[in-house]
Amino acid sequence: EAGVVQSPRYKIIEKKQPVAFWCNPISGHNTLYWYLQNLGQGPELLIRYENEEAVDDSQLPKDRFSAERLKGVDSTLKIQPAELGDSAVYLCASSFGDRTFFGQGTRLTVV
Amino acid sequence: AQKITQTQPGMFVQEKEAVTLDCTYDTSDQSYGLFWYKQPSSGEMIFLIYQGSYDEQNATEGRYSLNFQKARKSANLVISASQLGDSAMYFCAMRVLSMNTGFQKLVFGTGTRLLVSP
Repeated sequence: EAGVVQSPRYKIIEKKQPVAFWCNPISGHNTLYWYLQNLGQGPELLIRYENEEAVDDSQLPKDRFSAERLKGVDSTLKIQPAELGDSAVYLCASSFGDRTFFGQGTRLTVV
Repeated sequence: AQKITQTQPGMFVQEKEAVTLDCTYDTSDQSYGLFWYKQPSSGEMIFLIYQGSYDEQNATEGRYSLNFQKARKSANLVISASQLGDSAMYFCAMRVLSMNTGFQKLVFGTGTRLLVSP
């Protein structure tokens, strides 16, 4: 069974440019998360979806970040415009029951 | 406050020896879950083991066991017979109820880097 798939694995962009990350959760997992992991830190929740509904986006900086999960399957996280401080790893995860499974993440570098 | 504390930034262990990674937590919830994840240099967070707050027995998964001491609010990970491939970052996490939304989320510690030497 395939795990959580994210793309791209790495992305380098100039500041003020837009960027988008894609995530395909494990089949059958209705709950999808986007986490932000800064260097030397643990992941922090950005947004949680139940099917296509964003049920917890309280930590998402809505002035520049947006996310969508059309049809309740795969999801896209967008940053526009990117800032230097957005350089981090963006992790997607999905869960069913007690277990949460993560993808390999997208490492974003803003220069 | 709902918080995970990992006080060991780095740990060293020799191959085939056992190692304990420390984790303490703070929550006022009666029902919660505790997790350990491994993050190798590839970046993926790999689920290792889970302990529910009402589970009376310590969780075990192969070479991993979780030493759950509820009164002390600790959930240490024990890796027996360390292997070179165990070298990675290890994160302790707690499933908590978000006060803002009523939905659950994972709160992570800052991690412990484990290095296994031959």
